[in-house]
Amino acid sequence: GNSVTQMEGPVTLSEEAFLTINCTYTATGYPSLFWYVQYPGEGLQLLLKATKADDKGSNKGFEATYRKETTSFHLEKGSVQVSDSAVYFCALSEGSGAGSYQLTFGKGTKLSVIP
Amino acid sequence: DAGVIQSPRHEVTEMGQEVTLRCKPISGHNSLFWYRQTMMRGLELLIYFNNNVPIDDSGMPEDRFSAKMPNASFSTLKIQPSEPRDSAVYFCASRPDPGTDTQYFGPGTRLTVL
Repeated sequence: GNSVTQMEGPVTLSEEAFLTINCTYTATGYPSLFWYVQYPGEGLQLLLKATKADDKGSNKGFEATYRKETTSFHLEKGSVQVSDSAVYFCALSEGSGAGSYQLTFGKGTKLSVIP
Repeated sequence: DAGVIQSPRHEVTEMGQEVTLRCKPISGHNSLFWYRQTMMRGLELLIYFNNNVPIDDSGMPEDRFSAKMPNASFSTLKIQPSEPRDSAVYFCASRPDPGTDTQYFGPGTRLTVL
């Protein structure tokens, strides 16, 4: 079956540091890949997505590139801010036809950014 | 536009009591999902509906859990009887139609069963 593995946290960085959160996946076909972010006390929000190999998703300074050869979708940001403190989830969606698109999530990586 | 609405936001109950969680999806969305989030197991899909019809309930832990979607704008997740191991955050999510893959999450209900 499908699965997503992401680096375990927590990750603690100083403001303006470079961020990488690793994510690899296992899927039988050609999934879409996602990063969701969960701020304290809130639900998950879509951060970015990529739907095919070599696509780059980007939003709010975050980027991730769909690497089919390494089955990876690592999240990066060049300079983190305190407001980026949250839990980040990597996910994939695979299916065809009505009703078959479901998200498979990684376990989440908690990021804390300190001033 | 209002996002996915869940109620209550917090629920504390005693073991053996019935618990009902409620969700209102984004207007016009045709698919609805219920998830459970715990530290140990992460985010688990419990059940999802397309056009008010349950499609896959294989994630529902046991018969104590049931979910309904009587119309396009309302769904409930019921636990009867509740147990301490049901303590978790329960999320509802919706998506525009079954052929899309992006889901929109509600703020969650934090359930504590004593």
